Amino acid sequence: DAMVIQNPRYQVTQFGKPVTLSCSQTLNHNVMYWYQQKSSQAPKLLFHYYDKDFNNEADTPDNFQSRRPNTSFCFLDIRSPGLGDAAMYLCATRDSGAYEQYFGPGTRLTVT
Amino acid sequence: AQRVTQPEKLLSVFKGAPVELKCNYSYSGSPELFWYVQYSRQRLQLLLRHISRESIKGFTADLNKGETSFHLKKPFAQEEDSAMYYCALSGRAGGTSYGKLTFGQGTILTVHP
Repeated sequence: DAMVIQNPRYQVTQFGKPVTLSCSQTLNHNVMYWYQQKSSQAPKLLFHYYDKDFNNEADTPDNFQSRRPNTSFCFLDIRSPGLGDAAMYLCATRDSGAYEQYFGPGTRLTVT
Repeated sequence: AQRVTQPEKLLSVFKGAPVELKCNYSYSGSPELFWYVQYSRQRLQLLLRHISRESIKGFTADLNKGETSFHLKKPFAQEEDSAMYYCALSGRAGGTSYGKLTFGQGTILTVHP
């Protein structure tokens, strides 16, 4: 099945220790998104890639970075996680000619 | 700034009863409105889009520009409709904010037997 895969599903990291979350897709979509969803809150867009073009949201902290080495993969790097970065991180993809976003299952990040 | 408000965090109805999940938005321009749904232990997925004006799983939603609302309705709720529902907004195609979703906080719908 064509789909969006996120690894790992659960990630525990220590305060200040860099962490990388992974997203891969078999849909061959050229747009990929990263959302942060804190407990009982709405998913919030952090940034997205349109092909190789990176688009950062104005209020995304500098602590959050992303890489997209190829069409299939996209990574979210948190350079120095704080307790406030504990959240569910959702990856989504979209074909630029369509409107629907396809979401992965999410990675739940815990910061200790 | 664009914003989506879902005033009800929780909504409970009995099977067969009508259900309406409220969504209000603010956006300077003509937005695209969506409803996304997340069933238990499943990923977030698109339910319907206002431009399509279609009924999906018995749900419909009409965009009311005067009231800036996009309420989701179903005349007869089923137990399998129990899920988290998110209203979301993006700019229109061709604009810089197209495809960038702003979500509401979600409404948990529980349909009791």
